[in-house]
Amino acid sequence: NAGVTQTPKFQVLKTGQSMTLQCAQDMNHNSMYWYRQDPGMGLRLIYYSASEGTTDKGEVPNGYNVSRLNKREFSLRLESAAPSQTSVYFCASSEGRQRGYNEQFFGPGTRLTVL
Amino acid sequence: SQKIEQNSEALNIQEGKTATLTCNYTNYSPAYLQWYRQDPGRGPVFLLLIRENEKEKRKERLKVTFDTTLKQSLFHITASQPADSATYLCAPLVYSGNTPLVFGKGTRLSVIA
Repeated sequence: NAGVTQTPKFQVLKTGQSMTLQCAQDMNHNSMYWYRQDPGMGLRLIYYSASEGTTDKGEVPNGYNVSRLNKREFSLRLESAAPSQTSVYFCASSEGRQRGYNEQFFGPGTRLTVL
Repeated sequence: SQKIEQNSEALNIQEGKTATLTCNYTNYSPAYLQWYRQDPGRGPVFLLLIRENEKEKRKERLKVTFDTTLKQSLFHITASQPADSATYLCAPLVYSGNTPLVFGKGTRLSVIA
């Protein structure tokens, strides 16, 4: 099992460009999450999906959109990138529908720089 | 608002000693608390989950305590090794409702040989 995979690993964008970060899990998990991690700020939840077909905002959703394409895949889209979105993005999944009850499995991260 | 504080950004400890990391939370009544390890350039990895009705949980050289009165969790690594050097994150979790998941900022542990 690959666990949680993310693409791309690195990305450099110019201000105003758009892009989609891809995430997939092969553990048949119900819940999936997108976080960003910045120095001194810790992990912050952007969006999550408790189950296929549902998505909810987390702590810092502004400037992002998500799509739960199917049970395996959860993508994060930046419509118009801004320098403040320079960060490391992590996707995670967990078995349970109950948010946070089960351990989360994290992907390797995408390092995004917006110039 | 909910707040989590991990006692220090960095902790240096001599190999063989016990490392103790602190996680304090406010405006929370977590039903569970999780601890994760994160190595540089990698995603966090789950270590332990402790429930509010459990005072202590152990896994090999790791021990976690959960004091709901003090609103605090302690994470201990006994007989620490250089390979234990990493950042450790705590995440108190509310069982239900719309409260977002909140992670602490982490404590970077360095075990010196």
